[in-house]
Amino acid sequence: QKEVEQNSGPLSVPEGAIASLNCTYSDRVSQSFFWYRQYSGKSPELIMSIYSNGDKEDGRFTAQLNKASQYVSLLIRDSQPSDSATYLCAVNPNTGNQFYFGTGTSLTVIP
Amino acid sequence: KAGVTQTPRYLIKTRGQQVTLSCSPISGHRSVSWYQQTPGQGLQFLFEYFSETQRNKGNFPGRFSGRQFSNSRSEMNVSTLELGDSALYLCASRRQGAADTQYFGPGTRLTVL
Repeated sequence: QKEVEQNSGPLSVPEGAIASLNCTYSDRVSQSFFWYRQYSGKSPELIMSIYSNGDKEDGRFTAQLNKASQYVSLLIRDSQPSDSATYLCAVNPNTGNQFYFGTGTSLTVIP
Repeated sequence: KAGVTQTPRYLIKTRGQQVTLSCSPISGHRSVSWYQQTPGQGLQFLFEYFSETQRNKGNFPGRFSGRQFSNSRSEMNVSTLELGDSALYLCASRRQGAADTQYFGPGTRLTVL
């Protein structure tokens, strides 16, 4: 079983719509969760981090964490063509442990 | 604050050669991790160094090695290059703990001919 699983997509949404990206993880004691965005040919850049159950909002982005269900999601409101990228979910179980990355979900926002 | 830097940005080598990649972490960051990214395999963890010691290791052959210096700068070495080693090699740094965000450098694009 993979540590972190994401739907690889591709996911297509029209401009202005809400894009919903999902991620599940296997290690129940995981403490820290991150979403990265990666444009083609570029390195991953951090969008958000979340550590507690519930929602965390930052501009058009909302991360949602449910530790009981071992599930973390990213919502992108008012999607823009510039949001077209691959989104990587990352989990860190605990101090001293490596980050585990999902394979990424490819998002295309259609103008 | 300067970000993670990697050198060189691009490399072309031939099979059988060896290569050394360098990574300078963000100031104050003591952990450096290396990843290999290919279109088919995604982001794969190579190893992590913390305070000059390898703290975690991924599932790569012994041809892949690394080290970290006292100033937290890290190098990665690949010996006896194979065609399949062509990839984007990413370095990421973080302070030290689980809650600390990992920041990526721009990567080194390695092409093996």
